[in-house]
Amino acid sequence: GESVGLHLPTLSVQEGDNSIINCAYSNSASDYFIWYKQESGKGPQFIIDIRSNMDKRQGQRVTVLLNKTVKHLSLQIAATQPGDSAVYFCAEMNNAGNMLTFGGGTRLMVKP
Amino acid sequence: DVKVTQSSRYLVKRTGEKVFLECVQDMDHENMFWYRQDPGLGLRLIYFSYDVKMKEKGDIPEGYSVSREKKERFSLILESASTNQTSMYLCASSEDRTKQYFGPGTRLTVT
Repeated sequence: GESVGLHLPTLSVQEGDNSIINCAYSNSASDYFIWYKQESGKGPQFIIDIRSNMDKRQGQRVTVLLNKTVKHLSLQIAATQPGDSAVYFCAEMNNAGNMLTFGGGTRLMVKP
Repeated sequence: DVKVTQSSRYLVKRTGEKVFLECVQDMDHENMFWYRQDPGLGLRLIYFSYDVKMKEKGDIPEGYSVSREKKERFSLILESASTNQTSMYLCASSEDRTKQYFGPGTRLTVT
């Protein structure tokens, strides 16, 4: 079956530094990927998404990179702030295009 | 802004009880989803619905059922709650099954 995973379960960064959260996926046919942020006590919040016909997509302070050759997805957060502290999930769309499969999540901790 | 609301933030039920979790969205989305979230396991899809009265099984439908009588409302039903159904339950909706908008979650404890 399809699987989405994360290299690092916990990432600690200094405030102001850039953060990189990584995600590996196994289904080479996936054509849609998405990142969510989940703060304590809240539901996941959409950050950014990308389709497989793109390598890079930028949002406000965030960039998603997709490397289809090695089936790797990353989320880059520029100038990380305390408010960025949360658990970040990546997800990929299945072959049928009707279900997202989520990774286990990475906790980002921002040190002041 | 899309708003997805869930009927309860915290719920405590006893083993064997029938449990209803309600979810309402206000964006006229066709698609609605129920997930459970457990530490180390991420979000796992229980059921989803792409239209009124339509439903499809997700990855872990056993022990659950759903109801979609109105477009804005998607209910998750535990016919006979068990302790292994203690979890965080998240509802989501989406227009086209890609970008999903989540509710705040219901933390269910079954004793």
